[in-house]
Amino acid sequence: SAVISQKPSRDICQRGTSLTIQCQVDSQVTMMFWYRQQPGQSLTLIATANQGSEATYESGFVIDKFPISRPNLTFSTLTVSNMSPEDSSIYLCSVAYRGDYGYTFGSGTRLTVV
Amino acid sequence: GQQLNQSPQSMFIQEGEDVSMNCTSSSIFNTWLWYKQDPGEGPVLLIALYKAGELTSNGRLTAQFGITRKDSFLNISASIPSDVGIYFCAGQKRTDKLIFGTGTRLQVFP
Repeated sequence: SAVISQKPSRDICQRGTSLTIQCQVDSQVTMMFWYRQQPGQSLTLIATANQGSEATYESGFVIDKFPISRPNLTFSTLTVSNMSPEDSSIYLCSVAYRGDYGYTFGSGTRLTVV
Repeated sequence: GQQLNQSPQSMFIQEGEDVSMNCTSSSIFNTWLWYKQDPGEGPVLLIALYKAGELTSNGRLTAQFGITRKDSFLNISASIPSDVGIYFCAGQKRTDKLIFGTGTRLQVFP
Protein backbone atom coordinates (compact mmCIF):
# COMPACT_ATOMS: atom_id res chain seq x y z
CA SER A 1 0.00 0.00 0.00
CA ALA A 2 0.99 3.63 -0.44
CA VAL A 3 3.14 5.51 2.07
CA ILE A 4 1.82 8.98 2.87
CA SER A 5 3.80 11.89 4.27
CA GLN A 6 1.67 14.66 5.69
CA LYS A 7 3.08 18.00 6.82
CA PRO A 8 2.97 19.67 9.23
CA SER A 9 2.13 17.05 11.82
CA ARG A 10 0.76 19.70 14.13
CA ASP A 11 0.46 23.46 14.36
CA ILE A 12 -0.96 26.16 16.58
CA CYS A 13 -2.33 29.09 14.60
CA GLN A 14 -3.84 32.46 15.29
CA ARG A 15 -7.45 33.02 14.34
CA GLY A 16 -7.90 34.79 11.04
CA THR A 17 -4.80 33.23 9.48
CA SER A 18 -4.55 30.38 6.99
CA LEU A 19 -2.63 27.10 7.07
CA THR A 20 -1.69 24.92 4.11
CA ILE A 21 -1.30 21.19 4.73
CA GLN A 22 0.70 19.05 2.33
CA CYS A 23 0.16 15.42 1.41
CA GLN A 24 2.89 13.55 -0.48
CA VAL A 25 2.48 9.94 -1.62
CA ASP A 26 5.34 7.63 -2.58
CA SER A 27 3.53 6.34 -5.67
CA GLN A 28 0.95 7.53 -8.17
CA VAL A 29 -2.56 7.06 -6.84
CA THR A 30 -5.90 7.41 -8.52
CA MET A 31 -7.80 9.07 -5.72
CA MET A 32 -6.86 11.49 -2.97
CA PHE A 33 -9.21 12.68 -0.26
CA TRP A 34 -9.18 15.09 2.65
CA TYR A 35 -10.95 14.28 5.91
CA ARG A 36 -11.57 16.24 9.09
CA GLN A 37 -11.73 14.65 12.52
CA GLN A 38 -13.01 16.99 15.20
CA PRO A 39 -11.96 16.30 18.81
CA GLY A 40 -13.37 12.99 20.00
CA GLN A 41 -15.34 12.53 16.79
CA SER A 42 -15.34 10.36 13.72
CA LEU A 43 -13.96 11.21 10.29
CA THR A 44 -15.89 13.44 7.91
CA LEU A 45 -15.01 13.73 4.24
CA ILE A 46 -14.21 17.31 3.21
CA ALA A 47 -13.54 16.79 -0.47
CA THR A 48 -12.09 14.62 -3.19
CA ALA A 49 -8.94 16.13 -4.69
CA ASN A 50 -9.07 15.84 -8.48
CA GLN A 51 -5.89 16.01 -10.49
CA GLY A 52 -5.83 19.03 -12.79
CA SER A 53 -9.34 20.21 -11.93
CA GLU A 54 -11.37 21.63 -9.09
CA ALA A 55 -11.93 19.46 -6.05
CA THR A 56 -15.33 17.90 -5.37
CA TYR A 57 -16.64 19.16 -2.03
CA GLU A 58 -19.05 17.45 0.33
CA SER A 59 -22.09 19.14 1.74
CA GLY A 60 -21.11 21.69 4.35
CA PHE A 61 -17.65 22.36 2.93
CA VAL A 62 -16.83 25.13 0.45
CA ILE A 63 -13.87 25.98 -1.71
CA ASP A 64 -13.39 29.45 -0.23
CA LYS A 65 -12.84 27.96 3.21
CA PHE A 66 -10.94 24.82 2.18
CA PRO A 67 -9.16 25.38 -1.13
CA ILE A 68 -7.51 22.21 -2.41
CA SER A 69 -4.88 21.67 -5.06
CA ARG A 70 -3.72 18.47 -6.74
CA PRO A 71 -1.14 19.27 -9.40
CA ASN A 72 -0.15 15.64 -10.03
CA LEU A 73 -0.88 12.04 -9.03
CA THR A 74 1.33 12.07 -5.91
CA PHE A 75 0.73 15.43 -4.22
CA SER A 76 -2.13 17.49 -2.82
CA THR A 77 -2.58 20.44 -0.49
CA LEU A 78 -5.46 21.53 1.71
CA THR A 79 -5.65 25.10 2.97
CA VAL A 80 -7.74 26.00 5.98
CA SER A 81 -8.56 29.67 5.44
CA ASN A 82 -9.49 32.46 7.82
CA MET A 83 -9.28 30.08 10.75
CA SER A 84 -11.41 30.19 13.87
CA PRO A 85 -11.22 28.02 17.01
CA GLU A 86 -13.98 25.83 15.53
CA ASP A 87 -11.48 24.72 12.88
CA SER A 88 -9.35 23.01 15.55
CA SER A 89 -9.31 19.41 14.34
CA ILE A 90 -7.17 16.70 12.89
CA TYR A 91 -6.99 16.93 9.10
CA LEU A 92 -6.20 13.68 7.32
CA CYS A 93 -5.14 12.93 3.79
CA SER A 94 -6.12 9.55 2.36
CA VAL A 95 -5.45 7.82 -0.95
CA ALA A 96 -6.67 4.88 -2.95
CA TYR A 97 -6.03 3.15 -6.25
CA ARG A 98 -9.03 2.73 -8.55
CA GLY A 99 -10.62 -0.62 -7.87
CA ASP A 100 -9.15 -0.78 -4.38
CA TYR A 101 -11.42 -1.17 -1.43
CA GLY A 102 -10.55 0.94 1.54
CA TYR A 103 -8.19 3.85 1.78
CA THR A 104 -4.73 4.41 3.21
CA PHE A 105 -4.49 7.33 5.61
CA GLY A 106 -1.69 9.69 6.53
CA SER A 107 -0.87 10.38 10.19
CA GLY A 108 -2.82 13.62 10.07
CA THR A 109 -2.24 17.25 10.93
CA ARG A 110 -3.37 18.28 14.40
CA LEU A 111 -4.47 21.90 14.14
CA THR A 112 -5.20 24.13 17.12
CA VAL A 113 -6.56 27.62 16.48
CA VAL A 114 -6.20 30.14 19.30
CA GLY B 1 -22.83 14.18 6.32
CA GLN B 2 -24.06 10.66 6.84
CA GLN B 3 -22.48 8.59 9.60
CA LEU B 4 -22.92 5.01 10.58
CA ASN B 5 -24.02 4.11 14.10
CA GLN B 6 -21.53 2.06 16.08
CA SER B 7 -22.07 0.40 19.41
CA PRO B 8 -20.96 0.32 22.02
CA GLN B 9 -19.51 3.82 22.14
CA SER B 10 -16.79 2.65 24.52
CA MET B 11 -15.65 -0.53 26.20
CA PHE B 12 -13.49 -1.17 29.25
CA ILE B 13 -12.38 -4.80 29.44
CA GLN B 14 -9.74 -6.95 31.04
CA GLU B 15 -6.90 -8.47 29.12
CA GLY B 16 -7.87 -11.86 27.73
CA GLU B 17 -11.55 -11.05 27.29
CA ASP B 18 -13.32 -11.19 23.95
CA VAL B 19 -14.78 -8.04 22.42
CA SER B 20 -17.75 -7.55 20.12
CA MET B 21 -18.86 -4.37 18.40
CA ASN B 22 -21.25 -3.60 15.59
CA CYS B 23 -22.12 -1.00 13.02
CA THR B 24 -25.52 -0.26 11.50
CA SER B 25 -26.74 1.86 8.64
CA SER B 26 -30.06 2.93 7.20
CA SER B 27 -28.74 2.30 3.70
CA ILE B 28 -27.05 -0.54 1.85
CA PHE B 29 -23.31 -0.71 1.27
CA ASN B 30 -21.35 -2.80 -1.21
CA THR B 31 -18.26 -2.98 1.01
CA TRP B 32 -17.72 -2.83 4.74
CA LEU B 33 -14.37 -1.98 6.27
CA TRP B 34 -12.98 -1.91 9.79
CA TYR B 35 -10.22 0.47 10.83
CA LYS B 36 -8.26 1.01 14.03
CA GLN B 37 -6.90 4.40 15.06
CA ASP B 38 -4.12 4.76 17.60
CA PRO B 39 -3.53 8.12 19.34
CA GLY B 40 -1.78 10.60 17.06
CA GLU B 41 -2.12 8.39 14.01
CA GLY B 42 -4.41 7.98 11.06
CA PRO B 43 -6.77 4.99 10.84
CA VAL B 44 -5.27 1.70 9.69
CA LEU B 45 -7.32 -0.82 7.72
CA LEU B 46 -7.90 -4.09 9.62
CA ILE B 47 -10.41 -6.02 7.56
CA ALA B 48 -12.39 -5.50 4.34
CA LEU B 49 -15.63 -7.33 3.53
CA TYR B 50 -17.04 -7.56 0.03
CA LYS B 51 -20.11 -9.82 0.07
CA ALA B 52 -23.24 -10.08 2.18
CA GLY B 53 -22.81 -12.83 4.75
CA GLU B 54 -19.03 -12.93 4.35
CA LEU B 55 -17.02 -13.83 7.44
CA THR B 56 -13.33 -12.81 7.37
CA SER B 57 -10.55 -13.21 9.92
CA ASN B 58 -7.27 -11.40 10.46
CA GLY B 59 -5.44 -13.02 13.35
CA ARG B 60 -7.55 -12.52 16.47
CA LEU B 61 -9.98 -10.29 14.59
CA THR B 62 -13.11 -11.61 12.86
CA ALA B 63 -15.58 -9.46 10.98
CA GLN B 64 -18.86 -10.20 9.25
CA PHE B 65 -20.79 -8.47 6.49
CA GLY B 66 -24.44 -8.51 7.51
CA ILE B 67 -26.97 -10.34 5.35
CA THR B 68 -29.07 -7.22 4.91
CA ARG B 69 -25.94 -5.30 3.77
CA LYS B 70 -26.88 -2.64 6.31
CA ASP B 71 -24.68 -3.81 9.15
CA SER B 72 -21.35 -5.33 10.08
CA PHE B 73 -19.76 -6.85 13.16
CA LEU B 74 -16.24 -7.04 14.53
CA ASN B 75 -15.01 -9.47 17.16
CA ILE B 76 -11.64 -9.45 18.88
CA SER B 77 -10.67 -12.58 20.75
CA ALA B 78 -8.34 -12.79 23.75
CA SER B 79 -7.72 -9.05 23.92
CA ILE B 80 -4.23 -7.73 24.70
CA PRO B 81 -3.07 -4.25 25.79
CA SER B 82 -2.07 -3.21 22.26
CA ASP B 83 -5.69 -3.60 21.16
CA VAL B 84 -6.37 -0.28 22.87
CA GLY B 85 -7.58 2.36 20.43
CA ILE B 86 -10.61 3.55 18.53
CA TYR B 87 -12.26 1.17 16.08
CA PHE B 88 -14.18 2.60 13.16
CA CYS B 89 -16.40 0.84 10.71
CA ALA B 90 -16.76 2.31 7.24
CA GLY B 91 -19.19 1.60 4.43
CA GLN B 92 -18.46 2.05 0.79
CA LYS B 93 -20.86 2.32 -2.12
CA ARG B 94 -19.98 2.26 -5.78
CA THR B 95 -19.15 5.98 -5.68
CA ASP B 96 -15.92 5.13 -3.84
CA LYS B 97 -16.66 7.47 -0.95
CA LEU B 98 -16.07 6.01 2.50
CA ILE B 99 -18.67 6.78 5.15
CA PHE B 100 -17.34 6.29 8.67
CA GLY B 101 -19.02 5.06 11.81
CA THR B 102 -19.13 6.95 15.08
CA GLY B 103 -16.35 4.81 16.56
CA THR B 104 -15.90 2.42 19.49
CA ARG B 105 -13.21 3.35 22.01
CA LEU B 106 -11.59 0.25 23.49
CA GLN B 107 -9.62 0.25 26.73
CA VAL B 108 -7.91 -2.94 27.91
CA PHE B 109 -6.78 -3.32 31.50
CA PRO B 110 -4.05 -5.80 32.50
